[in-house]
This record gives sequence, C-alpha cells and structure tokens, in this order.
Amino acid sequence: SQQGEEDPQALSIQEGENATMNCSYKTSINNLQWYRQNSGRGLVHLILIRSNEREKHSGRLRVTLDTSKKSSSLLITASRAADTASYFCATEHREGSNYKLTFGKGTLLTVNP
Amino acid sequence: DAGVIQSPRHEVTEMGQEVTLRCKPISGHDYLFWYRQTMMRGLELLIYFNNNVPIDDSGMPEDRFSAKMPNASFSTLKIQPSEPRDSAVYFCASSIRLAGAQQYFGPGTRLTVT
Repeated sequence: SQQGEEDPQALSIQEGENATMNCSYKTSINNLQWYRQNSGRGLVHLILIRSNEREKHSGRLRVTLDTSKKSSSLLITASRAADTASYFCATEHREGSNYKLTFGKGTLLTVNP
Repeated sequence: DAGVIQSPRHEVTEMGQEVTLRCKPISGHDYLFWYRQTMMRGLELLIYFNNNVPIDDSGMPEDRFSAKMPNASFSTLKIQPSEPRDSAVYFCASSIRLAGAQQYFGPGTRLTVT
C-alpha cells in the first residue's frame, strides 16, 4: 500500500512547545501534502512539498522531505491550544495515467493551555 | 466562495434504506472526489470525477455504491441498500487540477446506519 503512516498516533504537549509529526511512505511520490482536521470538520490543506524540495516553511509550520528515506516531518513551532487537531500526510503518486492522493491515518495533536 | 458544500450534515437511517449524499464543489474546480473516513480504515478515496466524468471508481466498495455528477456544480453518492458497516463520515472534495494541487474538503456527512 502507498498509504503514508504518521508517527506518533497521538501527541500531547504544552502550549508554547514545538510539535513534530512524522510520515513514512513506501513508493515514489510526486509530492507530499499535509492536512489538518479539527474535530467534526473537513480536512484543510496546510502545505505541499514537491519531490525535488527538501524543506518548506509556512508561518509556524516547517515541513521536511527526505525521499531517500521516504519520510517527511511536520514541525509546528510555538504551539497554541488552537493547534489541537488531527494532522494527516497525503502522498501523491502516479498509477498509470492517473494521479492519486493517498492519506495516512493521522496524528492526533493535543495542545494543553 | 462558500467552499465545498455537502448535505445533509448528519444522516441516520435503517439498514436496507437508500441513502443519497450531495455535494456542490467550488466553482471552477474541474475535479471532484468522494472519500469515506472511518477509525479503522482512515480516509479512503471512493471515486473521482474530471469535468463531470467518472475517472477512477476503483475505491467504490461494492455495487451498492454509485456516484453521479450530472453537471459541474452537483454530485451525488448513493448507497442502496445501506448496511451498518457503511456507517462513516463521507467527504466531498474538489480541486482545480489533479496533479500537484491541494484538495478543498467539504464539512462531511456523518452517516449512521442502524
């Protein structure tokens, strides 16, 4: 399966601390995306990193991609209670003439005030 | 834009009944996706459309599931007959293109089949 796997499954930290979530996958990808899902809501796109990129920043978010290890990490700096959510990595890969985005099962992040 | 709109937000039905979920994608988006989310299996792609044409339905679990997109602004996912194992949250998403583009998700429909 191409499905990405996030690690850890759950993470609990204090406000102000940094949160790091990891994603591993199995086959070649075109890009990797991170999404956030608040409880009872749809997924919201956070950041996309292409296979030829190694690092990308967006505000308090920092994403790295290591294609040799088939892994990515999402770092949220100076976390806030409002960052409490599930975070998913999604790998885009090609299947024949189709491109498919496959989601992992997510990391549940709890930021305690 | 209002974003992707789904209805109903919650649906409770009895086993054997027909269920129809609805989606309005973001205007101008050529791709529409239907996903199912459960604790056990995570987020699974069921089917996606390009310019109203179904492209890949390999994720549709069985013949009880069908999806249509009669025009660029409306899609339905139908389950007939429904079974308790169909209980899940169903998401619709849309995007401007397939490769290298983010997907915009609707709020989801929580389906409970008793």
